[in-house]
Amino acid sequence: RKEVEQDPGPFNVPEGATVAFNCTYSNSASQSFFWYRQDCRKEPKLLMSVYSSGNEDGRFTAQLNRASQYISLLIRDSKLSDSATYLCVVNMVYDMRFGAGTRLTVKP
Amino acid sequence: NAGVMQNPRHLVRRRGQEARLRCSPMKGHSHVYWYRQLPEEGLKFMVYLQKENIIDESGMPKERFSAEFPKEGPSILRIQQVVRGDSAAYFCASSHGTGDSPLHFGNGTRLTVT
Repeated sequence: RKEVEQDPGPFNVPEGATVAFNCTYSNSASQSFFWYRQDCRKEPKLLMSVYSSGNEDGRFTAQLNRASQYISLLIRDSKLSDSATYLCVVNMVYDMRFGAGTRLTVKP
Repeated sequence: NAGVMQNPRHLVRRRGQEARLRCSPMKGHSHVYWYRQLPEEGLKFMVYLQKENIIDESGMPKERFSAEFPKEGPSILRIQQVVRGDSAAYFCASSHGTGDSPLHFGNGTRLTVT
């Protein structure tokens, strides 16, 4: 089993749609979790941390389920500018591991 | 702006040459990570270093690749005798190292082996 696994993409959605990504992790001792976005050929940028109680930042909501070892990202009212690859990141106690990423394309 | 600085941005090497990639972490960060990204693929962990120590190099090929993070100066990822398959984007990231510290990435070095 991979250390961090994400939904396979790509996701193609119309503007205004709601889209959700899931990510599972293998190490139950993992301490912290993040979502990053990566635009084509650029460096990943932090989108949001994921807290145990769940957290929201504008149109983005992140959830953590420790019992089932997964995190999720919900994007509401999708914009064209949300088109990117979304990376799930897990602090595996000693270091950080990235999921392979899920590509999102928002179409007009 | 004291972000993560990587250089060079682009590096072209012929097969058999050496490539040296440099990374200066954000001010105050003592943890450095190196990742490799092949075209159309995800980020692959290579190595995690703290000052003067390699913490985890499980993602680094056993031969030709080495990394260091000296007490003074940037972290260096060194690839000896490069081959075409080494062509990729190499990203460096740094963090404070505490459990909930996110990674901050540099712009990456795009290595092309001809």
